[in-house]
Amino acid sequence: KAGVTQTPRYLIKTRGQQVTLSCSPISGHRSVSWYQQTPGQGLQFLFEYFSETQRNKGNFPGRFSGRQFSNSRSEMNVSTLELGDSALYLCASSLDLGYRYNEKLFFGSGTQLSVL
Amino acid sequence: DQQVKQNSPSLSVQEGRISILNCDYTNSMFDYFLWYKKYPAEGPTFLISISSIKDKNEDGRFTVFLNKSAKHLSLHIVPSQPGDSAVYFCAASAGDRDDKIIFGKGTRLHILP
Repeated sequence: KAGVTQTPRYLIKTRGQQVTLSCSPISGHRSVSWYQQTPGQGLQFLFEYFSETQRNKGNFPGRFSGRQFSNSRSEMNVSTLELGDSALYLCASSLDLGYRYNEKLFFGSGTQLSVL
Repeated sequence: DQQVKQNSPSLSVQEGRISILNCDYTNSMFDYFLWYKKYPAEGPTFLISISSIKDKNEDGRFTVFLNKSAKHLSLHIVPSQPGDSAVYFCAASAGDRDDKIIFGKGTRLHILP
């Protein structure tokens, strides 16, 4: 079974630009979550999607948005990029059995975004 | 407000000895806890989890202990091996499907030869 696939692997953008990152979850997984990893802050939760609906949202500005398609694939978009947006963006999928107990997140390798 | 805290950014342990990684949480609603391991240039991988109805869960060399009254959990690795060198993340959620999983900042574990 293929794992979580994130594209692209690396991205270099300049301030003010926008970027779209893509995530294909494990087949059969219905929930997709996005996290931002920076050296000083660890893994910070961005948002979670389930059945094309945003179920949870972290404390990030509105420049960060996402969506999920009917095949569970997800994209996240960052508009008006800032230098501080440079980070590793991780996508994770899960089966979503209806409760968190025994739930596992399966992560992709991430997209390394550098904003110059 | 950081709800999951890993206060040791790094830890060095001799190969063959016990590694103990600690994690504290502030949200009393958390009742499901996980540990993830991350190598450079890879996504985190699930290691072990525990729900609040237990105080210990063991899987091979890995054991997680939960002290609910202290809002503290720890991961024990015995014996430590070179391949255990990685960043370890503690995570927690309230168990309900609508609750997000919150991660700590991670602890970098170095296993010394």
